Amino acid sequence: EVQLVQSGAEVRKPGESLKISCKASGYRFTDYWIGWVRQMPGKGLEWMGIIYSGDSDTRYSPAFQGQVTISADRYVSTAYLQWTSLKASDTAIYYCVKPNIPATMYGPTGAFDIWGQGTAVTVSS
Amino acid sequence: DIQMTQSPSTLSASVGDRVTITCRASQSIDDWLAWYQQKPGKAPKLLIYKTSSLESGVPSRFSGSGSGTEFTLTISSLQPDDFATYYCQQYNSYFTFGGGTKVEIK
Repeated sequence: EVQLVQSGAEVRKPGESLKISCKASGYRFTDYWIGWVRQMPGKGLEWMGIIYSGDSDTRYSPAFQGQVTISADRYVSTAYLQWTSLKASDTAIYYCVKPNIPATMYGPTGAFDIWGQGTAVTVSS
Repeated sequence: DIQMTQSPSTLSASVGDRVTITCRASQSIDDWLAWYQQKPGKAPKLLIYKTSSLESGVPSRFSGSGSGTEFTLTISSLQPDDFATYYCQQYNSYFTFGGGTKVEIK
């Protein structure tokens, strides 16, 4: 079964750092890009960025460039989303996602057919 | 960046109704459009990809159409399990979601 399993809920204070994870199974990790989507409380879905673990090629939405770091370790089939200094406005649920089109030389594309269960991040003093 | 505009933002309907949700792209995205369903407290679920292709396991009462900049999701006969929020998404140039349409019980 193809699945993405995310790390558990986190509570942090403003200014703290955080790294959450997403472990893939049931498919060859390096055959697909893997991305992250944010959902703030009561709001819609926002694409943050995506990474190809084969060569660490990473693309960010302009809204999130410089705000987070996406990385991946192909040897443990795991993607990561990292903050160095959290803000209260980072409070949200974060989903990792897998596109349904395999990685090609043309870059990331595809509908997101597999979603992680979500990681709730709460930033509060 | 490509912007996606969904309408309506909220829709009140009854079981058995035919429901249509519209999604407009700020520029042509060919047919690189997906639709998702999200229920409270759950991750979104892919319903339709490439405008009109039904994801495996999705009931046939869901259908999608359109091309270029205008797209629709239709539920032919609304069922109790369909009350949820629906999002469109373009993947012609990176990824952008629409703002969502909440389908409520009338």
